[in-house]
Amino acid sequence: EAGVAQSPRYKIIEKRQSVAFWCNPISGHATLYWYQQILGQGPKLLIQFQNNGVVDDSQLPKDRFSAERLKGVDSTLKIQPAKLEDSAVYLCASSLAGTRVIDTQYFGPGTRLTVL
Amino acid sequence: GDSVTQMEGPVTLSEEAFLTINCTYTATGYPSLFWYVQYPGEGLQLLLKATKADDKGSNKGFEATYRKETTSFHLEKGSVQVSDSAVYFCALSWGGSQGNLIFGKGTKLSVKP
Repeated sequence: EAGVAQSPRYKIIEKRQSVAFWCNPISGHATLYWYQQILGQGPKLLIQFQNNGVVDDSQLPKDRFSAERLKGVDSTLKIQPAKLEDSAVYLCASSLAGTRVIDTQYFGPGTRLTVL
Repeated sequence: GDSVTQMEGPVTLSEEAFLTINCTYTATGYPSLFWYVQYPGEGLQLLLKATKADDKGSNKGFEATYRKETTSFHLEKGSVQVSDSAVYFCALSWGGSQGNLIFGKGTKLSVKP
């Protein structure tokens, strides 16, 4: 089966510009996650969707970050405007089960963002 | 809050050496524990997991045992190979956190021939 797809793989932007990342989860997976991985650190959850509803966005900087999951399949994460400290790898993951069920998360290859 | 602490890296070993990467956790509930691996240029992959105390997860020669009394989940392998060179992440998840993964900082392993 196809894995989690993400695009673009790399993005370089100037600070204060906007950027968007796209994720296509594994077919049939109800839950989708976006993580931010800063160099030298472990991934940190930004937002979790179940189908097209937000389950947890408590760590999403809502003044500049937004995300949506239209029709409960693909998802887009946007940053507007970007700051230098947003330089990181943005990981998308999906899992089969819904919330409150421990299930394996499958990760995409990530998008490496560099903000100059 | 919930957290995971891993031993600092990088770790450099010779091929066929014994590997231990320490991981301890703090959690308010009863978490499941995971080891993820990130090979150079690739995404995170689940290596092994354990869902309750005294469970042992194993895969590709790696093992880790869920020790509730010491809140630990140390990763071990008896004989490492050059192909095991990667970054290893310990993580926890529990139902009260809606299945969200909380990761440690990662430990980079380099295996020399």
